[in-house]
Amino acid sequence: SAVISQKPSRDICQRGTSLTIQCQVDSQVTMMFWYRQQPGQSLTLIATANQGSEATYESGFVIDKFPISRPNLTFSTLTVSNMSPEDSSIYLCSVNPTGQSTYEQYFGPGTRLTVT
Amino acid sequence: AQKVTQAQTEISVVEKEDVTLDCVYETRDTTYYLFWYKQPPSGELVFLIRRNSFDEQNEISGRYSWNFQKSTSSFNFTITASQVVDSAVYFCALSEPGANSKLTFGKGITLSVRP
Repeated sequence: SAVISQKPSRDICQRGTSLTIQCQVDSQVTMMFWYRQQPGQSLTLIATANQGSEATYESGFVIDKFPISRPNLTFSTLTVSNMSPEDSSIYLCSVNPTGQSTYEQYFGPGTRLTVT
Repeated sequence: AQKVTQAQTEISVVEKEDVTLDCVYETRDTTYYLFWYKQPPSGELVFLIRRNSFDEQNEISGRYSWNFQKSTSSFNFTITASQVVDSAVYFCALSEPGANSKLTFGKGITLSVRP
């Protein structure tokens, strides 16, 4: 398993501003993922972030809106840019410690974002 | 394309009742992996179980049990003698090999256990 922390745990932001969310893992992992969970909804994958390569974005998500950094094997950031109230969600990072699809992902505690 | 359907949206039971959470999946692959996660009110997702498509054995872990049936593409989760602490949102998820471990989640089932 892996222990994952996220900062901030929650924030209230004004529209038009940007917020960077940090994800720290207690061990080196190849694959990290960023998900969005809109209020009362399921989780939707935003992008996959592998160290040493550009993040791979899912349909409906673009790098200009959600830039991601992955500077090393234990850390990643997700920025929510030019925010609007529709961006109010929980943002979660997750890791697959083995890099194998047979293995489960472990999730961070999430960042609750409210955009006013 | 893969899809996970959790037709039940909200379930409410009284403590000590048994409850089954349904999960139906769609995939074109013969090899795939199924998961259940629990999301308590605190918001963190807790991994409960992983099952691969070649292993149809049912599993029991304490008050939790899982019934995997490939014939009906279902992976149902039963909580026996439910407790208030079981109140949470439960997600079923599917992963395919070679898909960079991407998880496809169902919409989740909100379980409320009343004292």
